[in-house]
Amino acid sequence: GQQVMQIPQYQHVQEGEDFTTYCNSSTTLSNIQWYKQRPGGHPVFLIQLVKSGEVKKQKRLTFQFGEAKKNSSLHITATQTTDVGTYFCAGQGNQGGKLIFGQGTELSVKP
Amino acid sequence: GAVVSQHPSWVICKSGTSVKIECRSLDFQATTMFWYRQFPKQSLMLMATSNEGSKATYEQGVEKDKFLINHASLTLSTLTVTSAHPEDSSFYICSAKNGRKYEQFFGPGTRLTVL
Repeated sequence: GQQVMQIPQYQHVQEGEDFTTYCNSSTTLSNIQWYKQRPGGHPVFLIQLVKSGEVKKQKRLTFQFGEAKKNSSLHITATQTTDVGTYFCAGQGNQGGKLIFGQGTELSVKP
Repeated sequence: GAVVSQHPSWVICKSGTSVKIECRSLDFQATTMFWYRQFPKQSLMLMATSNEGSKATYEQGVEKDKFLINHASLTLSTLTVTSAHPEDSSFYICSAKNGRKYEQFFGPGTRLTVL
């Protein structure tokens, strides 16, 4: 079945450093979504990428979708303590189909 | 907008009892609701997908007789963990989507502890 792999599992950075998490699917995706889960909280939708090679930015966050629509990345520039949490990618094989979540990357930021 | 609530937020029960968890979409009609399970430091595992008025579709390995899902209205889905055992202790999260929109809105989760 469809699998979504995400690395790294953990990332510890100093405040101000950059951070990147990578996501790879075993199959071509119709779209990929990114969610953030704060400690003790629930996942909150960040963005959806649909087009091959798509790049979207949200302030310090940059999201990319690979040309083959099988991989994606989230890059945070100059991390802040408010960025702490676990970032999940979630791939969707068909529009409206179920989301397959990656394992998540837990980000900790040292002030 | 797009708020999803869950009740209760946490529950402790004795082994062998049944627990019902409610998931409500407060300001939109949820044609589809999803139930996930999350163990500490792990990802969300989809348990089942429920569409209003029809039977839920369970993921492989999820016992439908143990995890009863009812989606009786466009704003409410319930998950009942029957004859709960300690290994059922987990964080249960529901999500809801509205029609053709792609975004899933997650509830705050229910932490179940079975003694």
